[in-house]
Amino acid sequence: SSELTQDPAVSVALGQTVRITCQGDSLRRYYASWYQQKPGQAPILVLYDNNNRPSGIPDRFSGSSSGNIASLTITGAQAEDEADYYCNSRDRSAYPLEGVFGTGTKVTVL
Amino acid sequence: DVQLVESGGGLVQPGGSLRLSCAASGFSFNTYYMHWVRQVPGKGLVWVSRINSDGTSTNYADSVKGRFTISRDNAKKTVYLQMNSLTVEDTAVYYCVRDKEEWLLSWWFDPWGQGTLVTVSS
Repeated sequence: SSELTQDPAVSVALGQTVRITCQGDSLRRYYASWYQQKPGQAPILVLYDNNNRPSGIPDRFSGSSSGNIASLTITGAQAEDEADYYCNSRDRSAYPLEGVFGTGTKVTVL
Repeated sequence: DVQLVESGGGLVQPGGSLRLSCAASGFSFNTYYMHWVRQVPGKGLVWVSRINSDGTSTNYADSVKGRFTISRDNAKKTVYLQMNSLTVEDTAVYYCVRDKEEWLLSWWFDPWGQGTLVTVSS
């Protein structure tokens, strides 16, 4: 099965910009979606179809993709953005298609 | 409000069975694909299974294929996950998740239920 690899942890100063990456073969064909998970809570969708935000998600969250790497950028990070972030795509190697999540990135806001 | 409420989790011995339920409300249940995603406490998310809107098509992760069965009752607005031959590796929080797009399999998961914990232990 395909894998999506993320950096385990990143930190960002309050109000600064942080970029989280997700790498995997599936991303050459399928856009990533991104999920935010705070301790003790269920994940929520923050980006889908590369750079679309569900209603209620602040516009400081943006996405991009190039080759086999997808990125989530938080511009002007806030304290409430501290969370685990997971990318997701379809498993290109599986038929029928399966879902695959990234390994997750813990974002700390300093 | 769109809401998904899981139930049925608990402690089960290895080799045992459990059926999870997910009651949906606040949207047209019979027009959406539904998924189950699990998470070992402190670890990452793992997609488990999906079912199409009328229940005629299902798919599973290799790790549960042949042991788990997803189904749905559109009249009751409920999706199920029957889990058989459970092992300690199946211990996790199980989330019921709606596919974001109506009628389509988009693989965008929104929203998520609050999760139900399944513990497999002797």
